Amino acid sequence: DIQMTQSPSSLSASVGDRVTISCRASQSISTYLNWYQVKPGKAPKLLIYHAFTLQTGVPSRFSGSRSGTDFTLTISSLQPEDFATYYCQQSFSGPFTFAPGTKVHIE
Amino acid sequence: EVQVVESGGGFVNPGRSLRLSCTPSGFIFSDYVISWFRQAPGKGLEWVGFIGSKPYGGTIKSAAYVKGRFTFSRDDSKGIAYLQMNSLEIEDTAMYYCARAPPGPVAGTPYYFDYWGQGTLVTVSS
Repeated sequence: DIQMTQSPSSLSASVGDRVTISCRASQSISTYLNWYQVKPGKAPKLLIYHAFTLQTGVPSRFSGSRSGTDFTLTISSLQPEDFATYYCQQSFSGPFTFAPGTKVHIE
Repeated sequence: EVQVVESGGGFVNPGRSLRLSCTPSGFIFSDYVISWFRQAPGKGLEWVGFIGSKPYGGTIKSAAYVKGRFTFSRDDSKGIAYLQMNSLEIEDTAMYYCARAPPGPVAGTPYYFDYWGQGTLVTVSS
């Protein structure tokens, strides 16, 4: 199975901050990498798919990048509604695996 | 507007069964893959399995830990997908989510899951 790791596991930030979350795959997954946002009691939300493509309706302050097996989610200017847990997930091969997540706290 | 609603969760004893339902709306149900995920208390997201759309043969793939205990099905005439869970274990306690996925170009295998429900809670305890 492909193992996914993520860092940091949590971070504190303020509104307006630039935030970056890193994700690494244990082997090459090309660009088959998705990012999700999860809030308690809410439906998980797809933010980015195929490493770079912004899902319809997602604000442009979210972006994704890739370097080999390393992927990054960037929030250019953190907004109050962005405090949540973020997960990366690979869809290169089954089983589809998620990283443990990054919880973004209010500083 | 696309919406996904899960139902059927509850409290069950170990070894018993439960059937979850996924009732999406706002799109042509039969055209899409339906996948199930779960999140145990205090843990991260975990993929359970998916059932593909009929044009791609309704392929079913699942995580190894399902071990034949869980069955995936869909009724395209009713627009409902089901997750039949048998021989439930305490470790199956989790919020279970259903999500839609566009079929991918290779045998319809999905590459991303674009609309999710809010989940239905399954608690397995004696």
